Amino acid sequence: AQKVTQAQTEISVVEKEDVTLDCVYETRDTTYYLFWYKQPPSGELVFLIRRNSFDEQNEISGRYSWNFQKSTSSFNFTITASQVVDSAVYFCALSDLVTPGGYQKVTFGTGTKLQVIP
Amino acid sequence: KAGVTQTPRYLIKTRGQQVTLSCSPISGHRSVSWYQQTPGQGLQFLFEYFSETQRNKGNFPGRFSGRQFSNSRSEMNVSTLELGDSALYLCASSLGYRGDTDTQYFGPGTRLTVL
Repeated sequence: AQKVTQAQTEISVVEKEDVTLDCVYETRDTTYYLFWYKQPPSGELVFLIRRNSFDEQNEISGRYSWNFQKSTSSFNFTITASQVVDSAVYFCALSDLVTPGGYQKVTFGTGTKLQVIP
Repeated sequence: KAGVTQTPRYLIKTRGQQVTLSCSPISGHRSVSWYQQTPGQGLQFLFEYFSETQRNKGNFPGRFSGRQFSNSRSEMNVSTLELGDSALYLCASSLGYRGDTDTQYFGPGTRLTVL
């Protein structure tokens, strides 16, 4: 069975601080995808990143960076120099490989609510 | 370029009724995925359509169905509504299917309330 744990329910940081959102997953699949999404107060989900289990390279996109460690089944997300606009709920998700026409297991974490205080 | 649009934005139905939600993807996008978000169950994947074919689906009962038209617009139908179907229904579009590296773009969602 799949499981995604985002142990941090809520985090508050002061603007310009760095913050790391943790994501730990469980799966029996050897090939899978990991995702991060952002949901600001407006409610509209924003896709941030998709990572294939084959690729353990860390990724940086502006102030965002992701640390994928297969050995610890973690896919953590760091925001550097946080800004008020980063305030949102962040979801980590795990998906097995797409099987055309079949069932797909997609599991979302419960989300981490980040509040950036000016 | 217009974003993903979902209609209606809000909907109130009663138990036993059926409902159809619509999603218009970004022009040129061929994949539409549907998700359900509830306070109790969180975010869950419903299904994905690509080029008018259901490519894959999540673990939902057969009351939940969908289709995609030749212009890539997608509809999602829920029959025999139950109270637990009250949720925010989100759709996302991408150029290719989700199994590729395409970025997904989400619509604002349809908030369905079942009384």
